[in-house]
Amino acid sequence: AQKVTQAQTEISVVEKEDVTLDCVYETRDTTYYLFWYKQPPSGELVFLIRRNSFDEQNEISGRYSWNFQKSTSSFNFTITASQVVDSAVYFCALSEEGLGGGTSYGKLTFGQGTILTVHP
Amino acid sequence: KAGVTQTPRYLIKTRGQQVTLSCSPISGHRSVSWYQQTPGQGLQFLFEYFSETQRNKGNFPGRFSGRQFSNSRSEMNVSTLELGDSALYLCASTGNVNTEAFFGQGTRLTVV
Repeated sequence: AQKVTQAQTEISVVEKEDVTLDCVYETRDTTYYLFWYKQPPSGELVFLIRRNSFDEQNEISGRYSWNFQKSTSSFNFTITASQVVDSAVYFCALSEEGLGGGTSYGKLTFGQGTILTVHP
Repeated sequence: KAGVTQTPRYLIKTRGQQVTLSCSPISGHRSVSWYQQTPGQGLQFLFEYFSETQRNKGNFPGRFSGRQFSNSRSEMNVSTLELGDSALYLCASTGNVNTEAFFGQGTRLTVV
């Protein structure tokens, strides 16, 4: 069975600090997909990034960057120069290959989430 | 492009009653998934529908059921409500190929 662990329950930083959110996953599949979502107080989960298991290239998008390491089953997320608007709950999620070889992106296993608070 | 729409946004029900929640996916998306979010259990997968058929099911009792219509809109039903069913219920829609799940704002259900 798949599992996603976000060991950091809460993180508090001051604006402009860099912050890294950790995510460790477990799966028996060789093909899988990893995601990060952000949940602001409004409740809606906002998609941030998707990464395939066969693509270990790290990615930078503005102030966001992701470090995917298959060898350690980790998919960490870094916010550079954090801002107050980054305050939210961040979820790491895993989707495995579905029946018939097609991936069901709709079935996600989520971590427990990390509450990030950025103080001015 | 309109996002995922969930109705109602808030609901208060009495223990023992039943409830139906609605989800309209993004136009063109045929997959709809439902999740329950509680402080204790976090985000848990309920079920996924694709082209009116249940494709995946999570580990929830039979009181939780769902369906999908030909226009891809989905409903989930919870019968004989328990206090522990109080949660934020999130719906997500997914496109056909290589797309992520897009979530609605959820329905907050309170059982009293």
